[in-house]
Amino acid sequence: EAGVTQFPSHSVIEKGQTVTLRCDPISGHDNLYWYRRVMGKEIKFLLHFVKESKQDESGMPNNRFLAERTGGTYSTLKVQPAELEDSGVYFCASSPRLVLSQGWSGANVLTFGAGSRLTVL
Amino acid sequence: SQQGEEDPQALSIQEGENATMNCSYKTSINNLQWYRQNSGRGLVHLILIRSNEREKHSGRLRVTLDTSKKSSSLLITASRAADTASYFCATDANRDDKIIFGKGTRLHILP
Repeated sequence: EAGVTQFPSHSVIEKGQTVTLRCDPISGHDNLYWYRRVMGKEIKFLLHFVKESKQDESGMPNNRFLAERTGGTYSTLKVQPAELEDSGVYFCASSPRLVLSQGWSGANVLTFGAGSRLTVL
Repeated sequence: SQQGEEDPQALSIQEGENATMNCSYKTSINNLQWYRQNSGRGLVHLILIRSNEREKHSGRLRVTLDTSKKSSSLLITASRAADTASYFCATDANRDDKIIFGKGTRLHILP
């Protein structure tokens, strides 16, 4: 089974430019998450998709960030225009949708991609 | 607000010793998980403990949970060089809720 794939692994752009990060989750995983880690700080939640719908986008920093998940498959995270403080590692994670039949035994365990390192100069 | 504060921020121990990392959180939780991140790689799930559990074991890992103190600890026994990594605790308030991570503890195992 293929894991979560992220592209590119590293992107270096200048302030004001646009970058699009892509995430391919594990096939069949309805949940898809984006996180960001700035050096030395916490892994910050950005948003959560359930299939193609945004379940929670409370962590998106501002309207320079746009996330989409076409057809409930892969997802893209676009930063336009990029600012210096956007530098960091962007992680994508996916998990299967929990079902009622799982009851108490259900738990949301995430599978992460290797991350996309963004450097804004 | 984010929750999940690991303590200490960094830890260096000799190979073979035990490593203990702590995590505190702010609000009530459904589950608490621990993840490991090796440099340049994604996070890997290690172990999960539910809010009605107090202790759980998996191989050399032992996790405890004290919901009254809103804290958890991760113990790695007989540490190995390969255990060098960053360790994060993660919590979710509801089963389908977002999972919140902390800053992590950087663990370095000295040969």
